Amino acid sequence: DTAVSQTPKYLVTQMGNDKSIKCEQNLGHDTMYWYKQDSKKFLKIMFSYNNKELIINETVPNRFSPKSPDKAHLNLHINSLELGDSAVYFCASSQDNGQLTYGYTFGSGTRLTVV
Amino acid sequence: ILNVEQSPQSLHVQEGDSTNFTCSFPSSNFYALHWYRWETAKSPEALFVMTLNGDEKKKGRISATLNTKEGYSYLYIKGSQPEDSATYLCAYYNQGGKLIFGQGTELSVKP
Repeated sequence: DTAVSQTPKYLVTQMGNDKSIKCEQNLGHDTMYWYKQDSKKFLKIMFSYNNKELIINETVPNRFSPKSPDKAHLNLHINSLELGDSAVYFCASSQDNGQLTYGYTFGSGTRLTVV
Repeated sequence: ILNVEQSPQSLHVQEGDSTNFTCSFPSSNFYALHWYRWETAKSPEALFVMTLNGDEKKKGRISATLNTKEGYSYLYIKGSQPEDSATYLCAYYNQGGKLIFGQGTELSVKP
């Protein structure tokens, strides 16, 4: 049973398209996150939701819009894709905001390539 | 220090060697320090979450220490094995509620 699952694993799309990446966790965690792995391989926080409410929104272009229909799902929608959006995107979840317990559980990543 | 810095960036050791890496982080607004192990083509997996100055945690041959006053943590691997080859990430959790990752130390253990 996959704890945090992301789909698709790979996504190749043309500039200007709109695409979504889905994330689901079956751990009963309260908080979910989207991270972007940049060109230098840093994992950088994009968004965080706690019980469907947005709690962290980093300086991300407003073409990126997270949507959390329930606390087990946090999807990432990207409008008007640009070449610079190409990266690996990781979804994660945690209980108690992760800081005092078991850390974050990550999905396997979605490699987005914009051509 | 404003960011999380890890050193070295990469490390090559022989099987059986013991090794350690360093993570430096801001000592202000500290809440917790995480260590993750990230194997190629897999997801990062949490190793330790530490919160108290002087904390020391151990899991098998891997252990970690924490100094929140000076802003550093060490990860130690005793008797490295080829299966220990991975990237080891540390991440600093601040009172603003963000988990900020370092770039990682890439460990390669040769048989």
